[in-house]
Amino acid sequence: NAGVTQTPKFQVLKTGQSMTLQCAQDMNHNSMYWYRQDPGMGLRLIYYSASEGTTDKGEVPNGYNVSRLNKREFSLRLESAAPSQTSVYFCASSALTGAGSQGAQHFGDGTRLSIL
Amino acid sequence: SQQGEEDPQALSIQEGENATMNCSYKTSINNLQWYRQNSGRGLVHLILIRSNEREKHSGRLRVTLDTSKKSSSLLITASRAADTASYFCAEGGYGGSQGNLIFGKGTKLSVKP
Repeated sequence: NAGVTQTPKFQVLKTGQSMTLQCAQDMNHNSMYWYRQDPGMGLRLIYYSASEGTTDKGEVPNGYNVSRLNKREFSLRLESAAPSQTSVYFCASSALTGAGSQGAQHFGDGTRLSIL
Repeated sequence: SQQGEEDPQALSIQEGENATMNCSYKTSINNLQWYRQNSGRGLVHLILIRSNEREKHSGRLRVTLDTSKKSSSLLITASRAADTASYFCAEGGYGGSQGNLIFGKGTKLSVKP
């Protein structure tokens, strides 16, 4: 009954380093998302994957890449980390409603990333 | 930014009191969702109200939706210390990228024992 699992939970990087954030869901959802949460900014969508094999940019995609590895897994990669990418990153998944709109999203507990 | 806004930004009440949070949004919605976030945790879905619904209940939660005013409210009755959290509304559009949720900035609720 894990839901959405994110790894790692915490990470400190130096400017210019790269890393991949991992996300897996066990609810057989088609859609998966990556958000970042900054103080006073709410959640902003970085990338999403409406279904296996597709990925699309969200509101703030610059500096990030994603891979939808299979239906369960959706990873987020920072190729060259910058201090402006210090944030809490959340992965989420959801099923579509009958109207083609997104239903309830299920979130992981986040990755707290600091870039020095 | 297309983000909606919650009002107030912060709310402090005593246990047993009711808490009301408001959300204004900007797009044409298919549904409006409310989420709770406890400190250090991910968001948890509370309730979804469709655009053709005006009111919905779930336990101590009551959500209203006024599409003419593009606003929604979340009422928590008989609040408990465990209700202390941030609450977010999220607009759900129609299909494709428009179906992605747009989250507000949240209301921070503090319930004092």
